[in-house]
Amino acid sequence: QKEVEQNSGPLSVPEGAIASLNCTYSDRGSQSFFWYRQYSGKSPELIMSIYSNGDKEDGRFTAQLNKASQYVSLLIRDSQPSDSATYLCAVKGTNFGNEKLTFGTGTRLTIIP
Amino acid sequence: DTGVSQDPRHKITKRGQNVTFRCDPISEHNRLYWYRQTLGQGPEFLTYFQNEAQLEKSRLLSDRFSAERPKGSFSTLEIQRTEQGDSAMYLCASSFSMETQYFGPGTRLLVL
Repeated sequence: QKEVEQNSGPLSVPEGAIASLNCTYSDRGSQSFFWYRQYSGKSPELIMSIYSNGDKEDGRFTAQLNKASQYVSLLIRDSQPSDSATYLCAVKGTNFGNEKLTFGTGTRLTIIP
Repeated sequence: DTGVSQDPRHKITKRGQNVTFRCDPISEHNRLYWYRQTLGQGPEFLTYFQNEAQLEKSRLLSDRFSAERPKGSFSTLEIQRTEQGDSAMYLCASSFSMETQYFGPGTRLLVL
């Protein structure tokens, strides 16, 4: 079982619709969760971070965390063509001093005009 | 520009040559991380520094790889005797304490 799993896609969503991206993780003690956006040929760019169960909203983006189910999701409302990218889910280790991020393989999102 | 910077942005080398990459973190960020990303995969952790101390190294970091952060500011990653399998994007990230990691633009390495 991979430590962080994402559906690789591609996920196609009409412009203006809601895009829903999902991620599961295996380490039950993980505390910090991140969504990064990566355009082709570019480096990852932070979209959202979430640390507590529930929802966290930032503009058109909402991150959802359910630690009991070991599940993190990202919702993008009013999807725009500029949202077309690969979205990476990342989880930070549980132990103090374990600073590394473990990434999923990413979900490729395409917004259809 | 106050973000993470990396140099060079692209490097083409022949198998067996040595290469060195540099990363300048965001000012006052005390933690610096190196990751490697191949096509279709997420970034994979290589190593990280807190100030000048190298605190963790991945098993991915073979003996041919060495990283330094001599004064707790910029860092270098050297790959000796490069192999075709080393071709990847090498990403540097920095953070303040245990906060969010911000990535630089990456160095794309191609080993011929």
